Amino acid sequence: QVQLQESGPGLVKPSETLSLTCAVSGYSISSGYYWGWVRQSPEKGLEWMGSIHHGGSTYYIPSLKSRLTISMDTSKNQYSLKLSSVTAADTATYYCARDQGYFDIDNWGQGTLVTVSS
Amino acid sequence: DVVMTQSPLSLPVTLGQPASISCRSSQSLVSSDGTTYLNWYQFRPGQSPRRLIYKVSNRDSGVPDRFSGSGSGTDFTLKISRVEAEDVGVYHCMQGTHWPGTFGQGTKVEVK
Repeated sequence: QVQLQESGPGLVKPSETLSLTCAVSGYSISSGYYWGWVRQSPEKGLEWMGSIHHGGSTYYIPSLKSRLTISMDTSKNQYSLKLSSVTAADTATYYCARDQGYFDIDNWGQGTLVTVSS
Repeated sequence: DVVMTQSPLSLPVTLGQPASISCRSSQSLVSSDGTTYLNWYQFRPGQSPRRLIYKVSNRDSGVPDRFSGSGSGTDFTLKISRVEAEDVGVYHCMQGTHWPGTFGQGTKVEVK
């Protein structure tokens, strides 16, 4: 059974970089699928942010492309998100998610709340 | 981006009674390969979100058969034939036909 678990700081200061990691168990991330991030805020609802293909290609939504980096560490079977220059608008619950293609998310992490505040 | 509009946003239900959630898309969700990529997800506090239905009407393994999905084109529905206490939560539709995938605002199902 595939399990995903987010980890990272719950509080980030404005203008700094938000960094989260998703540890995957039960499946090797280098074997297949897309590995993505979705965030949820009261203001914007659920928003697919981007993903990394098991082969290494990355995909980001245009509004975040200049600030977002998704990478993978196959030796640890985990992947990461880095969002730079954060503002209060980036306060959200961040979910990691496995995408079978066509945004068909079949497994999610529990989500982690990140607050941007000084 | 494709806009997904759900209704109602709040759905008080009596246990044992049916419930229905509508999801409408701003564009047809039929892809070039003829597949319609429309899923339904259940969000419950303290739990990982769960996929209930994929490609409009396919129920995931372990999902009770009281959940069903239907629809085509731009108009989709999630039905719960008889609501149970464990069904309380927020339900989101999501389209994957058009890049990027987009979600509905969510429908909160609660017990009257």
